[in-house]
Amino acid sequence: DTAVSQTPKYLVTQMGNDKSIKCEQNLGHDTMYWYKQDSKKFLKIMFSYNNKELIINETVPNRFSPKSPDKAHLNLHINSLELGDSAVYFCASSQGGAGGGNTGELFFGEGSRLTVL
Amino acid sequence: AQSVTQLDSQVPVFEEAPVELRCNYSSSVSVYLFWYVQYPNQGLQLLLKYLSGSTLVESINGFEAEFNKSQTSFHLRKPSVHISDTAEYFCAVSDEAGNMLTFGGGTRLMVKP
Repeated sequence: DTAVSQTPKYLVTQMGNDKSIKCEQNLGHDTMYWYKQDSKKFLKIMFSYNNKELIINETVPNRFSPKSPDKAHLNLHINSLELGDSAVYFCASSQGGAGGGNTGELFFGEGSRLTVL
Repeated sequence: AQSVTQLDSQVPVFEEAPVELRCNYSSSVSVYLFWYVQYPNQGLQLLLKYLSGSTLVESINGFEAEFNKSQTSFHLRKPSVHISDTAEYFCAVSDEAGNMLTFGGGTRLMVKP
């Protein structure tokens, strides 16, 4: 029973298209995140939601729009895809706090590899 | 603001040899420190963490890390590595309120037979 699950795992699309990645966690955590991992494995936080409210919004283009219908779900919609959006996108969750609260532990999904052609 | 530097992007090592993966951080406040591991085509998993107390922390699979406040370091060590330890290792830091986990650039550990 997967704790943090993302779909799709792989996504190949053309420049200019719009796509979404979905994330669900069954851990009962309050906080969820989207991270972007580039081709050099560098991990950068994009967004963080706590109980459906946006609490971290790093310098990410407006083409990226997160949506949290409830605290167990955090979806990522990307408009007008560009070549530079190609990356692996990781969803994560934690119990409390924007960095994991007083336990500090984030639980990651397996990633969604986006390739923009 | 916090930052994390992992000095080595790749560390090749032979099986059963010891290894050290280096991590230095900078922060103006007290911090929590973590090592995460990413096996190929998988998400990150917590390997070990320092929150408070003993500065030497251990994982269940033989890794250990020591928090050194004066040197602002949290190096990861294992006395004898296995092929199965081949993975990307990420050092991370958050402030003591648990806000904003910041990752280093990662170190690829490559264990050769």
